[in-house]
Order: sequence, then structure tokens, then C-alpha cells
Amino acid sequence: GENVEQHPSTLSVQEGDSAVIKCTYSDSASNYFPWYKQELGKRPQLIIDIRSNVGEKKDQRIAVTLNKTAKHFSLHITETQPEDSAVYFCAASYPSGGGADGLTFGKGTHLIIQP
Amino acid sequence: DTGVSQDPRHKITKRGQNVTFRCDPISEHNRLYWYRQTLGQGPEFLTYFQNEAQLEKSRLLSDRFSAERPKGSFSTLEIQRTEQGDSAMYLCASSFGGTASGYEQYFGPGTRLTVT
Repeated sequence: GENVEQHPSTLSVQEGDSAVIKCTYSDSASNYFPWYKQELGKRPQLIIDIRSNVGEKKDQRIAVTLNKTAKHFSLHITETQPEDSAVYFCAASYPSGGGADGLTFGKGTHLIIQP
Repeated sequence: DTGVSQDPRHKITKRGQNVTFRCDPISEHNRLYWYRQTLGQGPEFLTYFQNEAQLEKSRLLSDRFSAERPKGSFSTLEIQRTEQGDSAMYLCASSFGGTASGYEQYFGPGTRLTVT
């Protein structure tokens, strides 16, 4: 089965700086890579995702890059703000009939934005 | 609220008792997923349905766990003979498979189970 490694486990950055979280996956058949943000006591919230037919996707201050050859993908957050503080999870999944199978998640990165 | 909903939000039970949780997906979403999350960890996939068909089950889903989605709308997850190790947050997610956004899974608020 798929295995997703995520690092760092904790990341502290100054407000306004950039943050980068990296993940690697093991199964080359995976083709869908979402990122979720989870605040304390709340549900995981999908913030951005990428499929294997593209190498980069951007949405305002958030971007995700994918390197299928190396089997790793990264989340980039620019101009960080206090409300970016949360736990971020990467995930990977196989394709299945116009959608995805169950997601395999990394262990999460606790992002702390220092004022 | 048109998002994924789960009931109950909290459940405390004694070891050995059976519990059942309910998930209502986003309207028109044909796929429904169950995950389990323990403190400090990412969600772990348990099982998922497309309409009423259960398409995939994780090895984590022991014989004490059973899930149903009889009419392709809401789903139930039952845990029989609960053990303390079953204590976790049980999350449900849904997606609209077969569409342009078919890969996106949206999560419910979860049911927190505590087994004493």
C-alpha cells in the first residue's frame, strides 16, 4: 500500500515569511495529492490539490509543486499570516473511476506563525 | 448547512458495548468515505462507498467494524464490542466522483468516541 512521509513535524516562521512543507510518497500509481489544513478541534479543510498531469498549481498565497519522478510534493505558503497557524496534512491517493480511492495521509506539520 | 454532517458529535461508551455513528454527505455526492483520527496523527482511511456499493476496505477495518450505505445517501458505521483502542475521532468525507471536481473530499466535523 501507499506510504506518505511528511516533514517537518513542526515549523515556526515569522509573520510575513514563507513556509514550505514537504511530502514523499511510495507508490508510483498515486496520482492525486491534496493538502488539508486542520485547526484545533475542527475538521480537516481542503486548501489545495494537484493531480499528476501537472507540476505546479497556485491559489493566491498557496502553491503546490509535484515531482512525479522523485515522488515528492510540497506546499508553499507565502506572506504568512497569524491565521495560517494550524496543522497541515498532505495526502495521496490512487485514481478510481473519475475520483479518488481512500486518501493516505502524512503525520502532519504544525505550522506556527510568530508575530 | 449544506456540508457533511455527523451524528453524534461525542459518544462515551463502556468497553464491550456497541456503538453506531451516522454520516450525511453533501447532497448529490455519490462517494462517501470513513476515516479514523487519533490525537497528533493524520486521518487513517477505513472504507468508502460509491452510491450503495462498498468499494474499498482498509486492513484497519477489523471484523468488529461494519459500515453501510443502504440507499446511497447517509451511511452508518458500527463498532461492536468496543475496546479502549477504538477511542478516536471518526471522520466522514464525501465527494462527487465522475465529475470535474470528483477527487475533492470534504470532511464532516467528526464523532469523537471515548471508550472507558
